[in-house]
Amino acid sequence: IAGITQAPTSQILAAGRRMTLRCTQDMRHNAMYWYRQDLGLGLRLIHYSNTAGTTGKGEVPDGYSVSRANTDDFPLTLASAVPSQTSVYFCASSDLSGGADTQYFGPGTRLTVL
Amino acid sequence: GQNIDQPTEMTATEGAIVQINCTYQTSGFNGLFWYQQHAGEAPTFLSYNVLDGLEEKGRFSSFLSRSKGYSYLLLKELQMKDSASYLCAVRDSNYQLIWGAGTKLIIKP
Repeated sequence: IAGITQAPTSQILAAGRRMTLRCTQDMRHNAMYWYRQDLGLGLRLIHYSNTAGTTGKGEVPDGYSVSRANTDDFPLTLASAVPSQTSVYFCASSDLSGGADTQYFGPGTRLTVL
Repeated sequence: GQNIDQPTEMTATEGAIVQINCTYQTSGFNGLFWYQQHAGEAPTFLSYNVLDGLEEKGRFSSFLSRSKGYSYLLLKELQMKDSASYLCAVRDSNYQLIWGAGTKLIIKP
């Protein structure tokens, strides 16, 4: 069982380019999340999805979009990258059927926008 | 606003005990999580508290006081592999996790 996979592992991108970060989970979790992590700051939620077909905005959604066509995949798209989007991006998933709803994280994508 | 406070960095000695504190001010409370994150890796789940008191899991324990907006993570018998950042997160009234910036724990021999 792979858990959560993310691709690419790292990417250097020119400003203004479009980029899609991929996230796939095989745990059949209903909820998925995208965070960014910057030095000295806590993880910040970009977008989330509580179930396939629905998405919601987190704390820092501007410049990002997501889709949730099925349970397993939750891609994050940067329509026109800017240097302030340089960060480490983590995808996570959780089972919202009750209890702790613990979030489990993918390995991350390190993105540099020049 | 919502706020999670943790010390930025702590140093401890191998074999010793260390307590990492977390104080929070959030709109609502639906549980508190501790995660461990090694450098360059993803956060991994350590513990969850929703009721007041101590939760023990091997060498790690986590305590919660909801009335004080306070939690701590206690690590016993420290090992070099415990060198990592420890992240405190609170689930708020919107059921979203609010994250602290993390405490970098340095273990010295």
